[in-house]
Amino acid sequence: EPEVTQTPSHQVTQMGQEVILRCVPISNHLYFYWYRQILGQKVEFLVSFYNNEISEKSEIFDDQFSVERPDGSNFTLKIRSTKLEDSAMYFCASQSGYSYEQYFGPGTRLTVT
Amino acid sequence: AQKVTQAQTEISVVEKEDVTLDCVYETRDTTYYLFWYKQPPSGELVFLIRRNSFDEQNEISGRYSWNFQKSTSSFNFTITASQVVDSAVYFCALSEALITGGGNKLTFGTGTQLKVEL
Repeated sequence: EPEVTQTPSHQVTQMGQEVILRCVPISNHLYFYWYRQILGQKVEFLVSFYNNEISEKSEIFDDQFSVERPDGSNFTLKIRSTKLEDSAMYFCASQSGYSYEQYFGPGTRLTVT
Repeated sequence: AQKVTQAQTEISVVEKEDVTLDCVYETRDTTYYLFWYKQPPSGELVFLIRRNSFDEQNEISGRYSWNFQKSTSSFNFTITASQVVDSAVYFCALSEALITGGGNKLTFGTGTQLKVEL
């Protein structure tokens, strides 16, 4: 069964460093998302991506964040200068063009020290 | 603005008991979608079910059943004869209809931690 994959599973970085979180969505899906979950809290929407551009973003998704689909298979989230409060689990999700279900990857736990 | 409320932060039951997880939502959209996701201790988010706002028929899938009531803006989830493997955090989520040229972001509730003990 097709699934969304994410790498790395855990990333530790120092404050101020740039990180890139990678996702491979389900093949033939058209909509892509990033969400984050601070430990013990709810899952929060960051950004949606369709047709090679951002379709919607939340207040959390400020200028420090960017997304890219560089090669038609990977979907990346970049944080330019990480802050302590960026520590969270980051989930990638993808969705087909004919249904409303979003399928999530296993997540990347980002720890900023 | 959309909002999902899961008032139960934690529920503990003994195996084989039935348990209902509550979900109340707010939206101004006339067409919307409701979801339940399971987050086991391993951390991934597992899709369980989607319901459309125009279809209030309840659904049963094995030991799982869902009760959608538009009149009370609720979408409750019942596990019958609970098992230890059901222990997880369960999230209710809401999305509006698909945006033309875009996706449909999910608004999650705060989750209910279900603990099933022997």
